[in-house]
Amino acid sequence: QLQLQESGPGLVKPSETLSLACAVSGGSVSTSSFHWGWIRQPPGKGLEWIGTIFYTGNTSYNPSLKSRVTISVDTSKNQFFLRLSSVTAADTAIYYCVTQQLATYYFQYWGQGTLVTVSS
Amino acid sequence: QSALTQPASVSGSPGQSITISCTGTSSDVGSYNLVSWYQQHPGKAPKLIIYEVKKRPSGVSDRFSGSKSGNTASLTISGLQTEDEAEYYCCSYAGSSTLVFGGGTKLTVL
Repeated sequence: QLQLQESGPGLVKPSETLSLACAVSGGSVSTSSFHWGWIRQPPGKGLEWIGTIFYTGNTSYNPSLKSRVTISVDTSKNQFFLRLSSVTAADTAIYYCVTQQLATYYFQYWGQGTLVTVSS
Repeated sequence: QSALTQPASVSGSPGQSITISCTGTSSDVGSYNLVSWYQQHPGKAPKLIIYEVKKRPSGVSDRFSGSKSGNTASLTISGLQTEDEAEYYCCSYAGSSTLVFGGGTKLTVL
């Protein structure tokens, strides 16, 4: 069974870039069986899909974040990554890494989430 | 791409049934049988409970069921139990490899 674990700074300054990693265990990020993605949840609010990287390397992003988001994979580390540039306080949230099975559009496995606060 | 619409809260007594609606548009819920539902207890990561409108992952109670009519999907929980008290979110494919969530519904078991 896949397990996901987010890591990264818990505090980011406004206008800087938020960078998170998701370590995958119980499987390989290079497999063609899964796609890898990120979802966030501002404190006390709902879920927001950020984006997905498909096993092909293609990506899809939430249109509202597309200009600021990059999702990538490092097969040598068995990790995938989120970069969100030009952050503001509105980007303060719990960030979850997730998986989608091939050719599906639901999130079967979730990391525990990591809180990122944007503040000077 | 606008968030799907869910009621902010619903409530029910143990043993009763409740239904949570999730209303989208003809560009998302109405066009694809790709609606999923997630249960989230406080301080925990969401858990998949329904996918592709009405399918249940292994290990999820058959008290949870899903359906769809037009632009509205629904989650029904029968035989309410105290442990069902949680936040519930719907999610739909919205075309062009994008997804959209609902705003969430807080279920209170009285």
